[in-house]
Amino acid sequence: GAGVSQSPSNKVTEKGKDVELRCDPISGHTALYWYRQSLGQGLEFLIYFQGNSAPDKSGLPSDRFSAERTGGSVSTLTIQRTQQEDSAVYLCASSLGGTGPYNEQFFGPGTRLTVL
Amino acid sequence: QQPVQSPQAVILREGEDAVINCSSSKALYSVHWYRQKHGEAPVFLMILLKGGEQKGHEKISASFNEKKQQSSLYLTASQLSYSGTYFCGTFVYSGGGADGLTFGKGTHLIIQP
Repeated sequence: GAGVSQSPSNKVTEKGKDVELRCDPISGHTALYWYRQSLGQGLEFLIYFQGNSAPDKSGLPSDRFSAERTGGSVSTLTIQRTQQEDSAVYLCASSLGGTGPYNEQFFGPGTRLTVL
Repeated sequence: QQPVQSPQAVILREGEDAVINCSSSKALYSVHWYRQKHGEAPVFLMILLKGGEQKGHEKISASFNEKKQQSSLYLTASQLSYSGTYFCGTFVYSGGGADGLTFGKGTHLIIQP
């Protein structure tokens, strides 16, 4: 079946502009995660959704970052007034059932964001 | 708190063994291991749960010492396809809610013919 898809695959934007990144999880996966991966760094947890609600927003680096999920499926990560330090690969993952320690996460190919 | 992985990088000849370690300062409920090849998405390898349960690949083994809050991934008779960056992710319960996975910075593994 289809895996996690993300769009766009690459995004180049100018400092100060807003960007929207999209994630389409595996059908039937109720948990959805956003991570950020900067050059040479590990995976930085941003936010997760269980269904449409986001019980854990603690990883969002600033109030310029927001995310929503509608219909228990597609999610969008929005970055307002982008800064150069926002440049990174943004990865989305989904897992079957509830979030938690039991479930493997399936990652999408990521969106490479470059802020000039 | 980000788990600490060691070594940061390792170079092996095909057929050699490697051990990758992951340690945390917090009590862990589970440890997840993923491998990422350059330019690709991370791929699930294994989950080790508190209490000894494991889910994952048949050809990969790992251990989880709950008391020491440490996990190790064992790669035996390494193949060229094992090359990549290995990440451990730790899961910590906090109060009534659950935190997301916190990943280490990764261990770069290069297998040479």
